[in-house]
Amino acid sequence: GAGVSQSPSNKVTEKGKDVELRCDPISGHTALYWYRQRLGQGLEFLIYFQGNSAPDKSGLPSDRFSAERTGESVSTLTIQRTQQEDSAVYLCASSNRGGNYGYTFGSGTRLTVV
Amino acid sequence: AQKVTQAQTEISVVEKEDVTLDCVYETRDTTYYLFWYKQPPSGELVFLIRRNSFDEQNEISGRYSWNFQKSTSSFNFTITASQVVDSAVYFCALSAGNTNAGKSTFGDGTTLTVKP
Repeated sequence: GAGVSQSPSNKVTEKGKDVELRCDPISGHTALYWYRQRLGQGLEFLIYFQGNSAPDKSGLPSDRFSAERTGESVSTLTIQRTQQEDSAVYLCASSNRGGNYGYTFGSGTRLTVV
Repeated sequence: AQKVTQAQTEISVVEKEDVTLDCVYETRDTTYYLFWYKQPPSGELVFLIRRNSFDEQNEISGRYSWNFQKSTSSFNFTITASQVVDSAVYFCALSAGNTNAGKSTFGDGTTLTVKP
């Protein structure tokens, strides 16, 4: 596609429920990143996928968080048993040359846990 | 470990004023990359510029200019003759190391408000 597409754009969920967030990167971009942005704060790295290599999961805050990517296409970020502190904007980014050349970001999914 | 500090949380200027956004970084790597991103009210971050650690040449793009100084570990961003459309949150970011994995460390952002 023309840009990085994320869905849903907004999600309100009850505490304890599971949520799935989706990211469609730019076609041909081999690198895909998930970041979290809490209100008024900078971006916090979560996970990185590069081609068929094992993902770098070093930023996932707990085992309630997981992510998958199918080849070099769609990625889903799953949060199980959501907590109020999970409320944030979840941003997906992709790159065709690696993150050292900068990212193209999606519009994000605003997650609110009530 | 890497760290990016944007000491200015909020800046407010009147249209046509010049404004400089500060960014100070920390890394032990000799190879690293610095970025600025703009996040307008619509929310989508937009890539503005990338510099690598071996190129200290300053860059100008229209009303935007960037001053990279390794001696002070700073990568400041100046907007000349600011406009209302420049109102946004601006993030400075650092990606270090040779792996090209490109995990970036972001500062907390500076909210710029340009008043008409």
